[in-house]
Amino acid sequence: DQQVKQNSPSLSVQEGRISILNCDYTNSMFDYFLWYKKYPAEGPTFLISISSIKDKNEDGRFTVFLNKSAKHLSLHIVPSQPGDSAVYFCAASGPDHLTGANSKLTFGKGITLSVRP
Amino acid sequence: DTGVSQNPRHKITKRGQNVTFRCDPISEHNRLYWYRQTLGQGPEFLTYFQNEAQLEKSRLLSDRFSAERPKGSFSTLEIQRTEQGDSAMYLCASSLEARWQNYNSPLHFGNGTRLTVT
Repeated sequence: DQQVKQNSPSLSVQEGRISILNCDYTNSMFDYFLWYKKYPAEGPTFLISISSIKDKNEDGRFTVFLNKSAKHLSLHIVPSQPGDSAVYFCAASGPDHLTGANSKLTFGKGITLSVRP
Repeated sequence: DTGVSQNPRHKITKRGQNVTFRCDPISEHNRLYWYRQTLGQGPEFLTYFQNEAQLEKSRLLSDRFSAERPKGSFSTLEIQRTEQGDSAMYLCASSLEARWQNYNSPLHFGNGTRLTVT
């Protein structure tokens, strides 16, 4: 069962415009959400995260929005740049049953973002 | 901070052979994770350690797979009697769990070991 869903496999936007990447989750125990960027032949690189006590977190050109009631989050990139072209993964975690702290991440399948010059 | 290091970067092996991968985490990180990624999929959790203790194993981790972190520093992942279905990118990640800080720490990934079983 896919607990983290990224339903759009790809997105193409013009340089300078906004990129909006969406993610849905089903597990109501998830309380920490992250976005990772991945280039070919490299491991995923952490981009931005948000805790369930917030509904927005901003870091430079990147903003993550969380809608807990809809179990939905989105990543906004403004303005988009050609160097942003990569695969973006949404990930989530919840409290570990042994330690009570958050542990393993569950990932979506990823979205391939292409930013056209 | 040199990041998470994985060796080798690529491994080609014949079906039935054993392979071992190594991961060196970020030095102050107490948690270490193994993930597997196949084409068109996100990383799938395999197992994780807190210091030297293996706290959780996924049902994806069959009895042919074993992971160790003997001194709470580097870790090895061994696959015995490899099968073609084991071909994938094996990713290692580390994080600092600081429960007393009530702080969620992101995982930092290495560049992976790509395994091809022929």
